[in-house]
Amino acid sequence: DAGVTQSPTHLIKTRGQQVTLRCSPKSGHDTVSWYQQALGQGPQFIFQYYEEEERQRGNFPDRFSGHQFPNYSSELNVNALLLGDSALYLCASSGTGQYLANYGYTFGSGTRLTVV
Amino acid sequence: AQKVTQAQTEISVVEKEDVTLDCVYETRDTTYYLFWYKQPPSGELVFLIRRNSFDEQNEISGRYSWNFQKSTSSFNFTITASQVVDSAVYFCALSEAGDSNSGYALNFGKGTSLLVTP
Repeated sequence: DAGVTQSPTHLIKTRGQQVTLRCSPKSGHDTVSWYQQALGQGPQFIFQYYEEEERQRGNFPDRFSGHQFPNYSSELNVNALLLGDSALYLCASSGTGQYLANYGYTFGSGTRLTVV
Repeated sequence: AQKVTQAQTEISVVEKEDVTLDCVYETRDTTYYLFWYKQPPSGELVFLIRRNSFDEQNEISGRYSWNFQKSTSSFNFTITASQVVDSAVYFCALSEAGDSNSGYALNFGKGTSLLVTP
């Protein structure tokens, strides 16, 4: 049973460019969340998607946007990249409601984004 | 506002020693969930345990045990007879229940890097 799959694994972008990261949730999961993890820090919640809509959002600027597709996969888009956007971007999937409360999230291995 | 504090940045122990990782949290909610995750060098966060705010039972799973104390807002994690494979970064996280539309977003501490040497 495949877990959460993220692509690409590594990415180098130039300041000012735009980037799209992709996530396929674990089979049976319908909720996808994105986290940003700077070096030496804990993951920070960006937003969560459920039923193709953004359900909850963390303290991130509008440069960060996302999308969820009917097959529950998701994309994270970051516009006008800054050097400070360099981080590991983690995708997490889960079921909803009580399933989420009871079992938490399954995380992918992340996409390492470097902005130069 | 919710907050998770892991005061220990790095811990180094010799194999077979016991080690306790501390976690202190702050929340105004009466219903919340606490988690521990392990992050090996590969980067993937591995789920270890979840605890509801209304369940203060301590738990033991093999060499792992967790001590949840609401009176001190702490959720500490102990590894007994540590092994080299336990070397990783360990994160404590808090999720507030919110309402039915809540996403149960995780609020992580900064993590504790554990190094177990032979």
